[in-house]
This record gives sequence, structure tokens and C-alpha cells, in this order.
Amino acid sequence: AQSVTQLGSHVSVSEGALVLLRCNYSSSVPPYLFWYVQYPNQGLQLLLKYTSAATLVKGINGFEAEFKKSETSFHLTKPSAHMSDAAEYFCAVRNQAGTALIFGKGTTLSVSS
Amino acid sequence: GAVVSQHPSWVICKSGTSVKIECRSLDFQATTMFWYRQFPKQSLMLMATSNEGSKATYEQGVEKDKFLINHASLTLSTLTVTSAHPEDSSFYICSARATGVEKGYTFGSGTRLTVV
Repeated sequence: AQSVTQLGSHVSVSEGALVLLRCNYSSSVPPYLFWYVQYPNQGLQLLLKYTSAATLVKGINGFEAEFKKSETSFHLTKPSAHMSDAAEYFCAVRNQAGTALIFGKGTTLSVSS
Repeated sequence: GAVVSQHPSWVICKSGTSVKIECRSLDFQATTMFWYRQFPKQSLMLMATSNEGSKATYEQGVEKDKFLINHASLTLSTLTVTSAHPEDSSFYICSARATGVEKGYTFGSGTRLTVV
């Protein structure tokens, strides 16, 4: 069955520092992977997605992620954190049926000035 | 871009009453819609998948008779929480998917349900 594991429930960085949010996946088929951001009491906004094309995926707001099959990873990075990046981030994989998304437990990103 | 509208954004109801949550795709046809439940500080748990014109497929452990899902058109799916109890209090989020994975999954803004 498909699953994702997000390492670190809480990540704190200083403004301007590198952001690295970790996600490892388990999939019995070539995975479709996603990163979403959620602000309090709001829905999810897509940051980027991997659908078997380029392994380095660029998303919105300066985020990018690299698909590494050998490491079964899809870590999210941003070179320089901004205060507005503080939010909850979810990694997700499409389920085996190819329909719904299965989410990780989420990582809370805090950005300090 | 694809927009999903979810209403209401928050609702308070008394125990024993029913609450209906609507999820509409505004600028695309959603052949498939999904309903998730999110507890505070936790991840999204898939409740059910609904396809237009057919019965919803519920995940294991989700009560079909309590969480009624209707997907009567390509732009509207509804979730009705029947005979609500305080333990049903949660954040419910819908998601819609157009044809082709390239279209992605678009999420509604969520509904905060509080049962008192």
C-alpha cells in the first residue's frame, strides 16, 4: 500500500535560512507525489507535484523538491525562508487505485526573525 | 485555475441534528470528489471517494449511514453528517479532481464542525 512518512513534526528556521522538509514514500507502483501547504483553518494549496517527468520539481513561492527513487524520498526545500512560509506542510502520494491522495502526518514550519 | 468552493466554512449544531456540507467545483467538471477529515494538529484522513452518479466508496472504519455522501452532478458533492455527536466535531475538507492527473487535486477551504 502507498504511504508517506514525514520526518520531523516541527521544523524551526530563521528568516533567510534554508528550509528542508523531509518526506519518504512507500509505493508498489511508480509514485505520484505532492506537497501541499495549509494555513490555519484553511484548505490545502498545492506547492508542487511529481508525476514521473523531471525529478527536480519546481513549485510556487520558491519551493522545489527532488524525487530520488534510490532513497524513496521527495524532500521539499526552499533556499531562503520567509516569515510568510510559516504553516503546516503535507506530503502526499496517490493511492494504489490511482484515485485519492494519502497524506503524511504533516510538518509544522516555524520561521523566526 | 481550478477552484473548489466549500460551504459552510464553519457550523455549530446540537447533538442529534444533521448537518450538510457542500463542495462545488466552480470552473471545471469534477468526475471524482473526495472527503477528508482532519483532527487538530493531525493529518487528513480520507473518508470516502465519490464519483458522479454512483455510490460513494467509503474507507474502512467510516460509517456509511452517519456520513452520507451525494455526488449528483459533475460540480457538486455533499456530505451530510447525520445525528451528529460531539465526537463528530472536526475539520472536514473536500477535494475535487478533473480528468487526468495533470489537472491535480483541488481542495476546498474546509468546514469546521462543532457539535454541542
